[in-house]
This record gives sequence, structure tokens and C-alpha cells, in this order.
Amino acid sequence: QTVVTQEPSLTVSPGGTVTLTCASSTGAVTSGFHPNWFQQKPGQAPRALIYSATNKHSWTPARFSGSLLGGKAALTLSGVQPEDEADYYCLLYYGGAWVFGGGTKLTVL
Amino acid sequence: QVQLVQSGTEVKRPGAAVKVSCKASGFTFTRYGISWVRQAPGQGLEWMGWINIKKGNTNYAQKFQDRVTVTADTSTSTAYMELGSLRSDDTAVYYCVRDFAYVVDVWGQGTTVTVSS
Repeated sequence: QTVVTQEPSLTVSPGGTVTLTCASSTGAVTSGFHPNWFQQKPGQAPRALIYSATNKHSWTPARFSGSLLGGKAALTLSGVQPEDEADYYCLLYYGGAWVFGGGTKLTVL
Repeated sequence: QVQLVQSGTEVKRPGAAVKVSCKASGFTFTRYGISWVRQAPGQGLEWMGWINIKKGNTNYAQKFQDRVTVTADTSTSTAYMELGSLRSDDTAVYYCVRDFAYVVDVWGQGTTVTVSS
């Protein structure tokens, strides 16, 4: 049973910087896991932010960036805005199947 | 614009099956795949399965292997997810999402499925 682990919750001040991570129970996360990141606000469908670890979609705000960091996938928000308060999910590829992380609830306070 | 529009709310009895549709527009349907994802109340996202629209091949999460079938009708640009032997813990919002070449991007609006006796 593959498990993808994210921080359950994080708090950041407006204008600050925060990094969310995504770890795999199988070992280091590499580009071969094709990490995708999503934002979900209450009552809404998820919205795609990042694909293939580092690539932004055309609609992704510039303050969001993705990376591979210390054996994990990472999502960094720089200059956090109040509207960034949401749940964030990573998604990793395991040879024909995707597995979501448990999600990180980001509070902007 | 690129969008996926899903069918409406469903209420089912335990043991029944549900079939959710996902109609694509604004892009060439046969060039992509569609994944299905669900979210139980207050819980996280859970990947269920995927179909390559052009080739018709599928992959399923092991948890759903014996209960889920994902299909697509290229003549109507519509993907379908059928889940059988429903239980109360299948109560969730079910999403379709465009998924190809490891890029998971456009989401449907979600379909609420309630399983209750």
C-alpha cells in the first residue's frame, strides 16, 4: 500500500513564504513520479497549479512554484495572499496509477 | 473554452450501481485521457482510474479494480465511470479530470453520489 504524505496543516502570515512537501513511502520522489499539485477551496473542484514537478499552467499565479527538494516534491508560495488559504494536494505517478497525498490545509493568518 | 461537464446528483441504494458521465468540449477529446477522482465528505482526494480515450485502455486503482469501469464514447466526447456494489462509504463527490502525458489539469464540476437505504 503506497502512501503519499503531506503536512496536515501549515500556517503562514500574509506576504510570507511557505513550502509544502510531498513524500513517498517508496523512497525519494524524483521527476519520474511526475508530481502534480492542486489547490482546493471549500465547495469547489480542485484547480491544477503545477505539473511535472516544476511546470506551471497558464493560469497559475507567479507566486506559486514547484520543485524537488530533499527527496520530496515541494510547492512554495512566495508573497502569500489571503486568497491562498485552501487545501493543497500533491499527486504522484506509480507506473500506471496515481496516488494523492492526504492534503495540507494552509491557513493565512 | 476547455471544460468538462458532469452529470447531476445521484442517490442510490446499497448494492446498486451508479454511472456518472463527463462531457468534454473545447479540446480534441481523442488526444487525451480522463481520470476519475472521488472525495468523501470532509476527506481528501482519491484517484480511482483512467482511460486513454483514443486507445481505450484503462488503469484502475487496486482498491476499485473489481467494482469500477471507465469507458468513453468518442462520438459524443463523453467519458463514463460506473461503480458497482455501492456501499455507504462510497458516498462522495466524484470528479472527472483531463489527464494525459502526466499532466492532470482540467476538472469537471463534480457529481455528488449519496448511498443510503
